[in-house]
Amino acid sequence: EIVLTQSPGTLSLSPGERATLSCRASQSVSSSYLAWYQQKPGQAPRLLIYGASSRATGIPDRFSGSGSGTDFTLTISRLEPEDFAVYYCQQYGSSQGVYTFGQGTKLEIK
Amino acid sequence: QLQLQESGPGLVKPSETLSLTCTVSGGSISSSSYYWGWIRQPPGKGLEWIGSIYYSGSTYYNPSLKSRVTISVDTSKNQFSLKLSSVTAADTAVYYCARHVLVVALPDWFDPWGQGTLVTVSS
Repeated sequence: EIVLTQSPGTLSLSPGERATLSCRASQSVSSSYLAWYQQKPGQAPRLLIYGASSRATGIPDRFSGSGSGTDFTLTISRLEPEDFAVYYCQQYGSSQGVYTFGQGTKLEIK
Repeated sequence: QLQLQESGPGLVKPSETLSLTCTVSGGSISSSSYYWGWIRQPPGKGLEWIGSIYYSGSTYYNPSLKSRVTISVDTSKNQFSLKLSSVTAADTAVYYCARHVLVVALPDWFDPWGQGTLVTVSS
């Protein structure tokens, strides 16, 4: 089974700063099947990025995704107060037929 | 705007079967472009995919849960359902339903999600 490891576990930044979140896979992942989600307390996850780099409908352009193979990145160019949340990456592992999520990165206000 | 809503008991006894239903509104569950999935999140922990179903009844299940999971669909009611048997305290979680978007014949990302429902396994 492919394991997704997100780093850092917690990221402390201030509004206006740039955030860089990492998602590393234990085996190569098809970029087509790499997504990012944002989850705020008490809410369901919200899709941000699919296909590693395509923004979902309604997602501000300060959010961007990149990467390929085993290393993927979610970048938030200038943090807004509403961006402080937990972020998860998700992939599909064809060999086991499993959809897995990373353990999450908590983005907190410094 | 597509909306999903989970429903079902919030408390299930150990060894019994957890049953949840997801009602889809604002769109048809019979669309050829989507599967429909279940994902859970234990309190304070991360997300775990349970399984997904197509309107025709075709399913994908998480191998780690496959022996205990049944997902079914009722197109006449625009609903799909989850049954998880022989539950233990480890199955206590918020259960989400979500649309699972098809890309080149395989489900890919989840969007949108229902609000989630907390199911506690306790006697």
